[in-house]
Amino acid sequence: EAGVAQSPRYKIIEKRQSVAFWCNPISGHATLYWYQQILGQGPKLLIQFQNNGVVDDSQLPKDRFSAERLKGVDSTLKIQPAKLEDSAVYLCASSPMLNTEAFFGQGTRLTVV
Amino acid sequence: GENVEQHPSTLSVQEGDSAVIKCTYSDSASNYFPWYKQELGKRPQLIIDIRSNVGEKKDQRIAVTLNKTAKHFSLHITETQPEDSAVYFCAASKEGGSYIPTFGRGTSLIVHP
Repeated sequence: EAGVAQSPRYKIIEKRQSVAFWCNPISGHATLYWYQQILGQGPKLLIQFQNNGVVDDSQLPKDRFSAERLKGVDSTLKIQPAKLEDSAVYLCASSPMLNTEAFFGQGTRLTVV
Repeated sequence: GENVEQHPSTLSVQEGDSAVIKCTYSDSASNYFPWYKQELGKRPQLIIDIRSNVGEKKDQRIAVTLNKTAKHFSLHITETQPEDSAVYFCAASKEGGSYIPTFGRGTSLIVHP
């Protein structure tokens, strides 16, 4: 089966600029997650969708981060404006149901300079 | 919320030795405990998982044990090989539930040939 697709793979932006990441989950997977992985740390969940509804966004810095999954399939994560500390790999994952086995995409490595 | 502690942060073994990585969790409602392997620059991939209705699960050279009373679970890799070198993450969540998966900080396993 096709895996979770993410784009772009790499992005370099200046602080205060905006950036958007795209994710296409595995077909049929109702749950979609966005994680932030800072170098040397485990993935930290930013937001979790079940179909097109938000299940949890308690760890999403809502003053600058936003995410949507309008049709319950693809999702976008946006940062506006970016800060230096946002430099990380942004991983998208999907699973057939809430909080079960998650399949990760390759991630987008964001560098904010 | 859930808190997952993982030890050690780095583990160095000789090829053929066994490796053990331990995690503790705080929320007794957690019932799903996956382990992910992340090779350098690649996505995390599930290698084994355990649910709270069993105490041990094995898959070839990999096994996971769960002690619900003590709220800890461990990954055991026997007959380690150089290709086992990677960062391993444990996680805890409530399957089907609405609280977020929490990852440990990771263990960097180095297998020396």
